[in-house]
Amino acid sequence: GAGVSQSPSNKVTEKGKDVELRCDPISGHTALYWYRQSLGQGLEFLIYFQGNSAPDKSGLPSDRFSAERTGGSVSTLTIQRTQQEDSAVYLCASSLGGAGGEAFFGQGTRLTVV
Amino acid sequence: AQSVTQLGSHVSVSEGALVLLRCNYSSSVPPYLFWYVQYPNQGLQLLLKYTSAATLVKGINGFEAEFKKSETSFHLTKPSAHMSDAAEYFCAVSRRRGQLTFGSGTQLTVLP
Repeated sequence: GAGVSQSPSNKVTEKGKDVELRCDPISGHTALYWYRQSLGQGLEFLIYFQGNSAPDKSGLPSDRFSAERTGGSVSTLTIQRTQQEDSAVYLCASSLGGAGGEAFFGQGTRLTVV
Repeated sequence: AQSVTQLGSHVSVSEGALVLLRCNYSSSVPPYLFWYVQYPNQGLQLLLKYTSAATLVKGINGFEAEFKKSETSFHLTKPSAHMSDAAEYFCAVSRRRGQLTFGSGTQLTVLP
């Protein structure tokens, strides 16, 4: 596709349920990022994939959060046993990789835990 | 660790006035620096980036930023604000592997 695609755009889930958020990066981009943006807050780094290197998971807030990237392309962010504080917009971005590469962002998935 | 600090979570300017959004970085090596803009209910869009080619960087929509190593700053400016500039602006720094770390953001309001 022409840009980074995220699905679903909106997700409402009950507390305690698991959710999966999907990100389709720009074709050919080796780097993929997940960020979380809570209301009125900045961007909180979650996880970073770069090529075949081990992902940088240092931003995942708890072991309820995990992410994978299959075939170096599509990525899924999974939140298990969701809590109300998980409510936020989850943003995915991709880039060609390297320190000076521009990151292209998707529109985000707005997650609401009720 | 590399990080950025944005001074002022909210900035208001009158239409036609100078826009100045502040960003300071901490880095032990020359950094790659970025400014992104986020319009309501949208993802982030790159305004400009510094990659050491030139200290004054021009971006889209009339924005520019100057890298000042002595001040560890990368402030964003625009000579004349438009109503359409109202948005949230994020400064970011890139690590060697390419991971982006963002500042907390500055909400720009443009008053008529």
